Amino acid sequence: GAVVSQHPSRVICKSGTSVKIECRSLDFQATTMFWYRQFPKQSLMLMATSNEGSKATYEQGVEKDKFLINHASLTLSTLTVTSAHPEDSSFYICSASGVFYTGELFFGEGSRLTVL
Amino acid sequence: SQQGEEDPQALSIQEGENATMNCSYKTSINNLQWYRQNSGRGLVHLILIRSNEREKHSGRLRVTLDTSKKSSSLLITASRAADTASYFCATDRNNAGNMLTFGGGTRLMVKP
Repeated sequence: GAVVSQHPSRVICKSGTSVKIECRSLDFQATTMFWYRQFPKQSLMLMATSNEGSKATYEQGVEKDKFLINHASLTLSTLTVTSAHPEDSSFYICSASGVFYTGELFFGEGSRLTVL
Repeated sequence: SQQGEEDPQALSIQEGENATMNCSYKTSINNLQWYRQNSGRGLVHLILIRSNEREKHSGRLRVTLDTSKKSSSLLITASRAADTASYFCATDRNNAGNMLTFGGGTRLMVKP
């Protein structure tokens, strides 16, 4: 299947700093990328949908100024957690969908963020 | 709001036994999918079943869908220790079918 690469896999940062997480589609053009957040032993919660070249669409309750999403190319989307706080600590996962969606989404390996 | 609910939340079985996980959802769907997640990793797509299908097989996996009851089940036959993972059902939220809402997941442990 197609490959989606997510980086970094783990990051630890201090409160108040910003952290950027990258999601790349390696072998297909991702017209749409999705960002999810997952707490321990819980399900994935959709945070936002990003379409290449457009502003991201955020789910209700997700602060767009807190979680900046950029999808500037067909192979790269970034999530920046700004002014991070300990409550932002979580597992963030991206998924990508190509032009011809066949029913299978491709997920990155996830990024575990720990804010001290 | 969470679309899918799964039960059981956790399941522990012996290698060789079958594992059945159930998923219920609330609104109409085009497709329902099942994904697997190893601990601390991303999700891997297992199988998609369309709303007009009732049953689908893929290797040791068997998925059923009952749209009248808004429920689906995933059966893993002859389980292996390597099947230990969390399993999530996901329903589509948009016409394109690529915006998914995930169920709470079932944590499966297969003991060797």
